[in-house]
Amino acid sequence: AQKITQTQPGMFVQEKEAVTLDCTYDTSDPSYGLFWYKQPSSGEMIFLIYQGSYDQQNATEGRYSLNFQKARKSANLVISASQLGDSAMYFCAMKADNYGQNFVFGPGTRLSVLP
Amino acid sequence: ETGVTQTPRHLVMGMTNKKSLKCEQHLGHNAMYWYKQSAKKPLELMFVYNFKEQTENNSVPSRFSPEGPNSSHLFLHLHTLQPEDSALYLCASSYGGRGEIGELFFGEGSRLTVL
Repeated sequence: AQKITQTQPGMFVQEKEAVTLDCTYDTSDPSYGLFWYKQPSSGEMIFLIYQGSYDQQNATEGRYSLNFQKARKSANLVISASQLGDSAMYFCAMKADNYGQNFVFGPGTRLSVLP
Repeated sequence: ETGVTQTPRHLVMGMTNKKSLKCEQHLGHNAMYWYKQSAKKPLELMFVYNFKEQTENNSVPSRFSPEGPNSSHLFLHLHTLQPEDSALYLCASSYGGRGEIGELFFGEGSRLTVL
């Protein structure tokens, strides 16, 4: 069975500082993808960044980077230079290639950026 | 024109009512999804439609009935719901072509309240 764990229900960060949101996953599938989504109070889930299980380098997308440690089954999201608009829920998700299109989501972390 | 559009954004219904949620995607994707987001629970996959055909039904009660008339539209028909069905219902779409990572694109959700 696949599972995503996010152990931080809530996080605070000062504006302009970096923050790391934790994500660990469990799967027996050798081929899978890891995704991070942001959900502002408006409700829409916004795709941020992707890491494939066979990718050799950590993914980066602007201020977002993914600290992928395959042996530890962790895929932490790093947000650099936090902005007030980064305040939102953040979800880690996984899709294993042998599970069709079934994305598994974690419970989320609520990030609050302080001015 | 946004990528994935959901209507209505808010819906209040009694337990004996029949209503429908509508989702439309303008991204040329070949798969569409319904997810349920309840308070303090991870996102739950309800249904997946590929090229108008339902390919996954995640043990959803029969009071929820999906309809996918074409690749761009997806409905969720609701009847005789229970108060515990109150939640945010998110529609998503994705493209599963070769070489694509297949990330989900979400709508803003339909907030359902069952009285």
